Amino acid sequence: GESVGLHLPTLSVQEGDNSIINCAYSNSASDYFIWYKQESGKGPQFIIDIRSNMDKRQGQRVTVLLNKTVKHLSLQIAATQPGDSAVYFCAEATGGYNKLIFGAGTRLAVHP
Amino acid sequence: EAGVVQSPRYKIIEKKQPVAFWCNPISGHNTLYWYLQNLGQGPELLIRYENEEAVDDSQLPKDRFSAERLKGVDSTLKIQPAELGDSAVYLCASSLDQGTTDTQYFGPGTRLTVL
Repeated sequence: GESVGLHLPTLSVQEGDNSIINCAYSNSASDYFIWYKQESGKGPQFIIDIRSNMDKRQGQRVTVLLNKTVKHLSLQIAATQPGDSAVYFCAEATGGYNKLIFGAGTRLAVHP
Repeated sequence: EAGVVQSPRYKIIEKKQPVAFWCNPISGHNTLYWYLQNLGQGPELLIRYENEEAVDDSQLPKDRFSAERLKGVDSTLKIQPAELGDSAVYLCASSLDQGTTDTQYFGPGTRLTVL
């Protein structure tokens, strides 16, 4: 069935370094991709999204890259800060955000 | 502006007991979602409401789960009877409209433990 997965369950980085969180998706019909951040005890928080007609989108300190050829999505966080420590989920959707399919999550640990 | 409000935040019950979760979406948001999140996993959609209508309940285990959104604002999710495997975080989310790419805003969730 459709699935969204992550390559790395845990990522540890030093404060100030750049972080890259990867995600593989399996449904070639998906046309929306979203990254969420979830801190302990909180619900997921929207970070950035990208449509399938784009291959790159930038936000504040974050960049999402989409490679449709290999069905791969990545989230790049520049100058990672302790406040970036959280679990990050990628999600895919088709035709809108009504039915998001989330992956299992990657924990990002930022060390001083 | 207040975010999505959920209560209770934590609930511990014994198996076979009923339990209910309450959600108040962001004001003006027509679409409301209930998700289940198991530990270390991403959220899984249980049901989606557009106003008071349940438009997607295909993933809701209807033998024991039920939900309602009578006036198109607040919603409750009920489990009766609860089973050990129902232990999880139940998340509520809302978005402004349906059929678009409006962002879903999540509440903090209710952590259910079934003993």
